[in-house]
Amino acid sequence: DGGITQSPKYLFRKEGQNVTLSCEQNLNHDAMYWYRQDPGQGLRLIYYSQIVNDFQKGDIAEGYSVSREKKESFPLTVTSAQKNPTAFYLCASSSTDRTIQETQYFGPGTRLLVL
Amino acid sequence: GDSVTQMEGPVTLSEEAFLTINCTYTATGYPSLFWYVQYPGEGLQLLLKATKADDKGSNKGFEATYRKETTSFHLEKGSVQVSDSAVYFCALRHASGGSYIPTFGRGTSLIVHP
Repeated sequence: DGGITQSPKYLFRKEGQNVTLSCEQNLNHDAMYWYRQDPGQGLRLIYYSQIVNDFQKGDIAEGYSVSREKKESFPLTVTSAQKNPTAFYLCASSSTDRTIQETQYFGPGTRLLVL
Repeated sequence: GDSVTQMEGPVTLSEEAFLTINCTYTATGYPSLFWYVQYPGEGLQLLLKATKADDKGSNKGFEATYRKETTSFHLEKGSVQVSDSAVYFCALRHASGGSYIPTFGRGTSLIVHP
């Protein structure tokens, strides 16, 4: 089955620690996205990438970093500079083909908690 | 810039009641419109979509019509079930141009009681 996988489902971070959230897709999509979801605040875009080896900051990129070395993978690192990282993190992907209706496909999410 | 406004929740209904969740948007041109659903503890999944004015998207008993004149895409269902309890997100995305970044509303929580 094609889809997006995120791991781990739950992640615990200690003070001053960097943690990395995994996102993998086998949908052959060029575009990938990271969102943060806090209760009652909807989705906020952290980073996005429309092609391998290129990515752009979203609305709340501070304290986060990403890489896009492979089309299938878009890992997100939550650095120690992110002072309030507790949230639900969602990865998504989509085609950039204008002939395809532009649905985003989401992974199951990673819940990050601070110890 | 683009924006999507949804009615605030939670919306609380009894089983078999009629559902409407309002969504209005502000955008230039002719974006595609979407409704996504998020069940507790899960990611979002597409519920339905419409790509041009007067199109009606439908799925699992839910419907929404793309109304260009009122810039709206209200979600409706004639008879809700307990299993429809979830958060519903309205979104828009432009079909052309360099950016493929969608704009999401803040989500509307639906709670259906037996």
